[in-house]
Amino acid sequence: EAGVTQSPTHLIKTRGQQATLRCSPISGHTSVYWYQQALGLGLQFLLWYDEGEERNRGNFPPRFSGRQFPNYSSELNVNALELEDSALYLCASRKTSGRTGELFFGEGSRLTVL
Amino acid sequence: SQQGEEDPQALSIQEGENATMNCSYKTSINNLQWYRQNSGRGLVHLILIRSNEREKHSGRLRVTLDTSKKSSSLLITASRAADTASYFCATDNGGGADGLTFGKGTHLIIQP
Repeated sequence: EAGVTQSPTHLIKTRGQQATLRCSPISGHTSVYWYQQALGLGLQFLLWYDEGEERNRGNFPPRFSGRQFPNYSSELNVNALELEDSALYLCASRKTSGRTGELFFGEGSRLTVL
Repeated sequence: SQQGEEDPQALSIQEGENATMNCSYKTSINNLQWYRQNSGRGLVHLILIRSNEREKHSGRLRVTLDTSKKSSSLLITASRAADTASYFCATDNGGGADGLTFGKGTHLIIQP
């Protein structure tokens, strides 16, 4: 069974540009979570998608947005990039039932903003 | 906001020794989980302990949970160089809204 896959692995952008990150959950998982991990920090919750809908977002500005497609894959968009957006962006999936339990993580997309 | 806080932030021990990491949290939980992250990579689930459990074992891992003190500990016995990684505790309130709430992690270095 394939795990959670993320692309691209690395992305380099300049200030003001836009970045798009992609995630494919484990087959059968309908919930997708996005986290930001800045250097030396813990994981900060960004967005939760479930059954194609945005269910919750963390304390991030509106230029962080995304969507979930009918096949449950997801996309994270970051507009008007700032230097502090440089981080590892992690996607995780989970079966919806019970909305609790283990999260399965991808390997992450490392975004560098110059 | 951070829910779990790991202690210590960094730990360096000799191969073969036991490593103990602690986690404190603030609100009620459905379960608490521990994850491992090798440098710059994704997180891997290690173990889940439910709020009505006090201790759980998995191979060389032993986790305890004290809900009265809102704390947990992860013990890795007979450490190996391959155990070098960052370890995160994560709390699950069961509502699904933000997945899990993670601490900042303990960076464990096993000296060969």
